[in-house]
Formats: sequence, structure tokens, C-alpha cells
Amino acid sequence: LAKTTQPISMDSYEGQEVNITCSHNNIATNDYITWYQQFPSQGPRFIIQGYKTKVTNEVASLFIPADRKSSTLSLPRVSLSDTAVYYCLVVTGNQFYFGTGTSLTVIP
Amino acid sequence: DAGVIQSPRHEVTEMGQEVTLRCKPISGHNSLFWYRQTMMRGLELLIYFNNNVPIDDSGMPEDRFSAKMPNASFSTLKIQPSEPRDSAVYFCASSFRQAKSEAFFGQGTRLTVV
Repeated sequence: LAKTTQPISMDSYEGQEVNITCSHNNIATNDYITWYQQFPSQGPRFIIQGYKTKVTNEVASLFIPADRKSSTLSLPRVSLSDTAVYYCLVVTGNQFYFGTGTSLTVIP
Repeated sequence: DAGVIQSPRHEVTEMGQEVTLRCKPISGHNSLFWYRQTMMRGLELLIYFNNNVPIDDSGMPEDRFSAKMPNASFSTLKIQPSEPRDSAVYFCASSFRQAKSEAFFGQGTRLTVV
């Protein structure tokens, strides 16, 4: 299983763009990179998934370089409601193993 | 669809008692996962099923824990006997069994063993 490493915590002001980088050096050819968001007292919620280059949806963008050994989740213009824990996963088959996550705090 | 449904939402029990947590996955999903979350250990995958069959239970902490999936729409996680260190939030999740998929989580069951 590919292990992921991401910062433990980050702070950002409202309206700023936030980039959270995750490293996954031993990612396998068939693995996908997936990001989840978790609010207190709730289960994790899917944000975005990608295999290579760039993926964008209504919530975030995911940037994956050619070697796929890292990925960056980009949240445009964060608001206070984006305060949460963000998890980077490398999904092998459909096995979802979570790391420690990044606790993002958005400051007014 | 109502999403993944877990019951109960909260459970307080005495040490030594049997505890059963329940999960109804999203209709049509053929994979189901049980997770445990604590401050110390984060989100741990306990066991997962594909097409009602347990595939990997290496995350189950010990023999006191057991999980079943008698049909595609129901799963249980049982702890017998329960201990204070089992206190945690237990999540159930379901997904399609395919290489590119996302898991949908329930609201969780907060278990407190006193």
C-alpha cells in the first residue's frame, strides 16, 4: 500500500487560495489519488479524485505531476466553512486507507 | 438515496457488555467498509467486504471484534465483550467495487464504554 505524507495543519485567511500537498512516493501504476474532507462529528466526504495532470470540479482542483509521486489539492478562495481535516489517499483497487490528514483552519 | 445509514448514532455501555453496530449501505454498492476513528490512531480500516464476502479483516483489533454482512443491504459490527479502550467513533462506508471509485460514509456511531 502506498503511504501518504501531508502536513499536519495549515492556517489560511478567508478568501485566500489554499494548496495542500501530499507525497506518495511508492504509488503504483493503477493507483488513483483521492482527497476527502471531514468536519467534526461527520464522516469523511469525497472531494476529488485524479490519476494524472489536472482535475477540476466545482469544489477544488487536483494537480498531479508526471511522476505522480505527489499531488496538490487546491481550494480557491476558502471560507470559514472550509475549516476541516483534509485527507489524501492513494486508492489501490477500492481499498481506502486514510493517513493522518491536514487540519485546515480558516481565519476571518 | 438516503446515503449510508448507521445505527445507533450514540451508544453508551458498560464494560463487558456486547455491543452491535448496524449499517445499511447505499443501494447498488457492492463494497462495504468499517472504520474506527480515535484521536490517537485516526481513521483505521477494520474490515471490508466485496459482494458480502469479507476480503480483508487484518485491521480488526482482536477476537472480541466480529463483522458480518448477511446480505447486500445490511452489515453488523459486534464487540463482545466491550472494553473502555473500544470507545471511539465507528464509521461504515460503501462504494462500487471498481478501480476508480469513491466511498460514501455514514454519520458514524459514537461508542462509549464505561
